[in-house]
Parts: sequence; C-alpha cells; structure tokens
Amino acid sequence: DSGVTQTPKHLITATGQRVTLRCSPRSGDLSVYWYQQSLDQGLQFLIQYYNGEERAKGNILERFSAQQFPDLHSELNLSSLELGDSALYFCASSVAGSGGRETQYFGPGTRLLVL
Amino acid sequence: AQSVTQPDIHITVSEGASLELRCNYSYGATPYLFWYVQSPGQGLQLLLKYFSGDTLVQGIKGFEAEFKRSQSSFNLRKPSVHWSDAAEYFCAVGNTGNQFYFGTGTSLTVIP
Repeated sequence: DSGVTQTPKHLITATGQRVTLRCSPRSGDLSVYWYQQSLDQGLQFLIQYYNGEERAKGNILERFSAQQFPDLHSELNLSSLELGDSALYFCASSVAGSGGRETQYFGPGTRLLVL
Repeated sequence: AQSVTQPDIHITVSEGASLELRCNYSYGATPYLFWYVQSPGQGLQLLLKYFSGDTLVQGIKGFEAEFKRSQSSFNLRKPSVHWSDAAEYFCAVGNTGNQFYFGTGTSLTVIP
C-alpha cells in the first residue's frame, strides 16, 4: 500500500458526460501527478500540482482539467467524454515539487469505461 | 523531444534464470531515470532510480540497472528471477521541467 488513495475504483459512464476522479496523496506529500494508462497510448503523464498550484503539464487534453485543494487532495475532471477516454487513471504523489528527481508513489488507479 | 523505448513487449524466462529488460531513452541532457513495476490490478511501484553518480544502481527485490550514456540505455537486470517477479515493467525518464515519459512496458512471464 503506497498511501495514495483514489476514488472511485471503477467508473462507467456515457459519451458526452463529465466525471470527477479524486486523489488523496500520502501524508506529508505536497505534489500530485495524474497519469492516463490506455492500451493504445501506454502510460502518459497528464499534469502535476504542487501545493495547490499547477507545476507541469504533459499530454492533457483541453477537455480535461485538474486542481489541488488546500487539504492537498486533487481532482481530475474529464468532460465531453469520448470512447477513447476509457482508460486507467493513476494519481501519484511525492514530497516536494522538484518533480523529475523525486520518487513518485502511485495510487491503485481509477478505471474509467466510457460507453 | 523526450522519449523512452522498451523494445521488448513480452519476455518469458524460467524461474532462477537471469533477466535483462532493455530501455533506451532520448533526452538531450542528463536524464532522471526510473524503473517501475506494475502487478495486475495494482498501481506502479518504484524499483530503482538514477539521477547522477554511480552508473550502477541497486533497487528493491534484487533488481539493478546500469546507466550507459554512450548507448542512451538504462537496462534492468536481475541475476535470478522468482515467480513473483511476473509483472509489467516500465522504464521512465524525467526532466528538469517536471515532465515524465514512460515506455510502453515489458510484460514478464516466469515459467517454473
């Protein structure tokens, strides 16, 4: 158990809908990262937040957004969902915001199925 | 642009045999390199990482990796594989801009 929690574990929704994925980092970690893992794209870095502020951006679509709250939990919002958004979404956390050098601890993921 | 290549999609080894998983990266500066393991239905667990210094790094579960700048490689090795090592292995590279790039993964099957 990494100490990172993600809810829900599974999510089934329809095209065009909007969903929110939630992540609670390890106690004491200030950074949260979001990743998408799909069969055709592999594991892709989406976005990083550090202490409430966006720190780095990866291959995140404009239909997707994220935020980190004062209690450091983070939410990933996916809107206008398409079939291709079906994937496993991982959250990871690390102690600080120096990103590339830090060990990231991954949550168990949220599996999203868009029908 | 940065990228990570794991040439082997799937590898099968016998229990007790040695293992080497290949990873090649593309990055202009000195990269931050990682190996993660993912068991079925689980998140990713860090095996080891390289930032600088000794090019041979030791990780958990008896794994090691060697950074070879001349070959842009960071191959993962284990001298004797156990059945519990069956999993998906991901190589990743991080940069100073806090961005991360993962390879497509290598699936390891261990046969008795």
